[in-house]
Amino acid sequence: DQQVKQNSPSLSVQEGRISILNCDYTNSMFDYFLWYKKYPAEGPTFLISISSIKDKNEDGRFTVFLNKSAKHLSLHIVPSQPGDSAVYFCAASASTGGSQGNLIFGKGTKLSVKP
Amino acid sequence: ETGVTQSPTHLIKTRGQQVTLRCSSQSGHNTVSWYQQALGQGPQFIFQYYREEENGRGNFPPRFSGLQFPNYSSELNVNALELDDSALYLCASSLGPGQYYGYTFGSGTRLTVV
Repeated sequence: DQQVKQNSPSLSVQEGRISILNCDYTNSMFDYFLWYKKYPAEGPTFLISISSIKDKNEDGRFTVFLNKSAKHLSLHIVPSQPGDSAVYFCAASASTGGSQGNLIFGKGTKLSVKP
Repeated sequence: ETGVTQSPTHLIKTRGQQVTLRCSSQSGHNTVSWYQQALGQGPQFIFQYYREEENGRGNFPPRFSGLQFPNYSSELNVNALELDDSALYLCASSLGPGQYYGYTFGSGTRLTVV
């Protein structure tokens, strides 16, 4: 049973436009959410995170929105650049009731930004 | 500042064999977490080591075991390999448990069980 779901395996966007990657979760105990980016033959790299006490967090071109009532978060990339082409993983954790370090990942969304 | 180094990068093993994967943590990091990423899936938590002790474990059988050494490097051992163990194994180090935003992942070890 998947607790973190990324329902779009792939997304193609034109350079300069907005990329929106979506993520849904089922476990109401999750209180911290992260996005990781992964290039082929490299490990995931941390991109941006959000705590459940917030509904928005921005870092440059990247913004994460959290809708707790819908158990939904999204990553917005504006403007998208060809170098953003990668697999994006949504991950979640619970500060209580689970083991430390236990990040639950979605299956990932492959973003392609076309020049 | 060196990152996380994993070895080997690839290996092929036969079903029933045992395998040891290695991870050197980033300088200054005392916590190592191991993840298994099967094809088409996201990384799945195996366990975490903090100051040489297991600090949490995911839903993996006991034939998955680990060690952390005084220099904070770590090993993942898998006994009685099964075909489903074929995956990318990722190691991540951090300054402490729960420092998820500070996770530095290695490039992984691609294990193929035949």
